[in-house]
Amino acid sequence: NAGVTQTPKFQVLKTGQSMTLQCAQDMNHEYMSWYRQDPGMGLRLIHYSVGAGITDQGEVPNGYNVSRSTTEDFPLRLLSAAPSQTSVYFCASSYSFGGPYEQYFGPGTRLTVT
Amino acid sequence: ILNVEQSPQSLHVQEGDSTNFTCSFPSSNFYALHWYRWETAKSPEALFVMTLNGDEKKKGRISATLNTKEGYSYLYIKGSQPEDSATYLCASRTTDSWGKLQFGAGTQVVVTP
Repeated sequence: NAGVTQTPKFQVLKTGQSMTLQCAQDMNHEYMSWYRQDPGMGLRLIHYSVGAGITDQGEVPNGYNVSRSTTEDFPLRLLSAAPSQTSVYFCASSYSFGGPYEQYFGPGTRLTVT
Repeated sequence: ILNVEQSPQSLHVQEGDSTNFTCSFPSSNFYALHWYRWETAKSPEALFVMTLNGDEKKKGRISATLNTKEGYSYLYIKGSQPEDSATYLCASRTTDSWGKLQFGAGTQVVVTP
C-alpha cells in the first residue's frame, strides 16, 4: 500500500493564480481531510469528507474548495492564491468517520505564494 | 485560538532521562484524544487514540494517560533516546463537532546524547 500520497511536494504560486493540490489514499478509508500547518498554530483543519460526495468545512475553509467524487481522491483547490496561504498542507485519512480511528497523513505539500 | 493546549512548548532532555508533558482539552462533549509523533521532514504518525477516562496506553517506552473529567492527558517517555526527538501533537475530538479533530501546537522534544 502506498498509503496517503500528495502531489506536488513543493509549489510556488503568484498571487491570484489558482491550483489544485492532489491527495489520494489506497486504504479504502471513508474519512479524508486537509490541514494546513503554520508555525505556532498547530495543524488547522481546512475541509473534510466523510465519504464520496460528502464534504464539510473545517476551521479555516475560506479560499479553498474541495470535492470527493471517489473514495480514493480528495483534491484541494486554491481559487485565487494569496500570500496568507503560504503554508505546508497535509492530507490525512482514517478508516471511518464514525469511530475513534487514527489518522494517516500524507507527506505534505509546501506552498509558497509570492 | 487553540482550545487544545500543550505544555511546555519545547523541552530538552538528556539521553536516558525520563520526561512527560501535558495536553489540555475541552472536557465537555469529549469523544476521543489522539497523540501523534512528528519527526522533522516527515509526516505525523499516530501513537495513541484514547477514549475512556482513566485510559492508559503504552507503546515501547512511550505511554499516555487520560483524564476526561478534568480535560488533560499526559505523555511520558521513559529513558529518552535521541530517536525520540520529535514534536508530539495531541488532538481532541468532541461529540458536538463530530468530524473535526482539533490539534494543539505541539511539544517539541530534543534528546541530547
